[in-house]
Amino acid sequence: DVQLVESGGGLVQPGGSLRLSCAASGFTFSSYAMSWVRQAPGKGLEWVSAIGGSGGNTYYADSVKGRFTISRDNSKNTLYLQMNSLRVEDTAVYYCAKRVVEVAGRYYFYMDVWGKGTTVTVS
Amino acid sequence: QTVVTQEPSFSVSPGGTVTLTCGLSSGSVSTSYYPSWYQQTPGQAPRTLIYSTNIRSSGVPDRFSGSILGNKAALIITGAQADDESDYYCLLFMGSGISVFGGGTKVTVL
Repeated sequence: DVQLVESGGGLVQPGGSLRLSCAASGFTFSSYAMSWVRQAPGKGLEWVSAIGGSGGNTYYADSVKGRFTISRDNSKNTLYLQMNSLRVEDTAVYYCAKRVVEVAGRYYFYMDVWGKGTTVTVS
Repeated sequence: QTVVTQEPSFSVSPGGTVTLTCGLSSGSVSTSYYPSWYQQTPGQAPRTLIYSTNIRSSGVPDRFSGSILGNKAALIITGAQADDESDYYCLLFMGSGISVFGGGTKVTVL
């Protein structure tokens, strides 16, 4: 079974740092791009960041650029999100998602598998 | 900065049809934006419904379909059921690795 399990959320003060992890299983992790998506309390989904399968290409929403760093360890089948200079508005549930970019030469750019999320509270 | 737009809410009768749309504050949505659609109920992770405009994800009932209507992407629910009452989000690929969600549409079935 394909599974994504996030961890590392918690309560942090404004200006602080936190590192989220996402453990993947059931698929060849290194073959797929991955994404982080967040949802503030009572708000909609917000795409945060993505990383290519090899880890060489990274992408960020303007709201987190320069403060958050996405990375992955393919030997551990784990995705990370290092969050620095946290703000109250970063309070959200953070979801890890498997990103499908290209299959057999055709492009798709969507998320097909989601974790259950981890909660980050900045206060 | 381009904003992805969705209707805030929609109401549909059981058995009825509802069309949700996903547009851009500037410009038209085409297949080149690879629109995808996600369903979310309170307290749950999103569920993938449609990708690449009109391809249903595995296990998604065929009452859900996607298309381009005019200058927007659309999610059509035909024969709405009570458990379709959820929030629905579209996602567009904006290029350079960046994707953006719409604000979401809350669908009520009553």
